[in-house]
Amino acid sequence: GDSVTQMEGPVTLSEEAFLTINCTYTATGYPSLFWYVQYPGEGLQLLLKATKADDKGSNKGFEATYRKETTSFHLEKGSVQVSDSAVYFCALLSGGSNYKLTFGKGTLLTVNP
Amino acid sequence: EPEVTQTPSHQVTQMGQEVILRCVPISNHLYFYWYRQILGQKVEFLVSFYNNEISEKSEIFDDQFSVERPDGSNFTLKIRSTKLEDSAMYFCASGGVSSYYGYTFGSGTRLTVV
Repeated sequence: GDSVTQMEGPVTLSEEAFLTINCTYTATGYPSLFWYVQYPGEGLQLLLKATKADDKGSNKGFEATYRKETTSFHLEKGSVQVSDSAVYFCALLSGGSNYKLTFGKGTLLTVNP
Repeated sequence: EPEVTQTPSHQVTQMGQEVILRCVPISNHLYFYWYRQILGQKVEFLVSFYNNEISEKSEIFDDQFSVERPDGSNFTLKIRSTKLEDSAMYFCASGGVSSYYGYTFGSGTRLTVV
């Protein structure tokens, strides 16, 4: 079945540091890929997405590129801020009639001033 | 921007009691979902609902769980006889015809079973 493996946390960075959170996936067919973010005490917010190979999703300075050859969708940001502290989830969405999301375990990011 | 609304935000219930978690999806959406997140763990799929019936359910979604769309606007998750291990954050989500591009989650209901 489908699965998502993402970098174990927690990740602690200083403000303005470079961020990478690795994500790889296993899926049949051609899934869509997503990064969701969960701020403390809040729900899941879509951060960015990519629906086909070589697509780059971007939002709020975060980027991720859909790499079919390496089955990866790593999240990057050039300069993190304290307000980026949250849990980040990589997810894939299978096609078919149900559009079920499969999530990774989440990576807690803490950014210190 | 349209939102998925969940109520209540937090519910405490005694073991063995029935609970109903409520969701108001985005009005023109067609696909509806429940996911749950046990504290500190990953988000897990429970059930998808389309065209007034369950389209897929996970092995977590056993006979104690049921879903309904009673009036065309609400989407509910009922847990018949709660167990301690049902304590989790429950997220409702809805998606339109382009659900392949993702869908919108509510802010969740934190269920605590004591």
